[in-house]
Amino acid sequence: QKEVEQDPGPLSVPEGAIVSLNCTYSNSAFQYFMWYRQYSRKGPELLMYTYSSGNKEDGRFTAQVDKSSKYISLFIRDSQPSDSATYLCALGGGTSYGKLTFGQGTILTVHP
Amino acid sequence: GAGVSQSPRYKVAKRGQDVALRCDPISGHVSLFWYQQALGQGPEFLTYFQNEAQLDKSGLPSDRFFAERPEGSVSTLKIQRTQQEDSAVYLCASSKDNQPQHFGDGTRLSIL
Repeated sequence: QKEVEQDPGPLSVPEGAIVSLNCTYSNSAFQYFMWYRQYSRKGPELLMYTYSSGNKEDGRFTAQVDKSSKYISLFIRDSQPSDSATYLCALGGGTSYGKLTFGQGTILTVHP
Repeated sequence: GAGVSQSPRYKVAKRGQDVALRCDPISGHVSLFWYQQALGQGPEFLTYFQNEAQLDKSGLPSDRFFAERPEGSVSTLKIQRTQQEDSAVYLCASSKDNQPQHFGDGTRLSIL
């Protein structure tokens, strides 16, 4: 079993929809939680970063962490075609300082 | 430059050849990381430097993989006697202490 599980999708939604992306993890030592967006043939781009349980909002994006359930989510409101990309959850602070453990990535397509 | 710079962007090598991949981190970032990303998967940790010290190399898949950062800035990932299974995108990331990692666009390595 992988330390971080993420449904690879693909996920296809119409423009304007609310998108929910999720990851579960097994190692309770993870201390910080990130979401990255990756366009084709580009590197991961940091979207959200949080240490604590609860919600963190930035524009159309909301990151949610539930440490008791070992479950993290990213919500995208009013999705746009430019949001079409692969979304990667990344967890840190587990067994090795600095090392990030990534989910497989969810491929998202927002169609006009 | 403003971001993490990696070169070359694309590298094709014959099986058995040695390759060297370069990473220029963001200026002032003491931490530098290498990840390997297979097609359709999330990045997987290879190794971590703090300044010139290699603090974690637990993710290097074999002794054919070697990384260095002699002056605490530019880093090189070297792969000796390449094999087909080494074909992947190699990502470099850098960060300030306790801050999120920022990624370059990677080197896409193809072994024929």
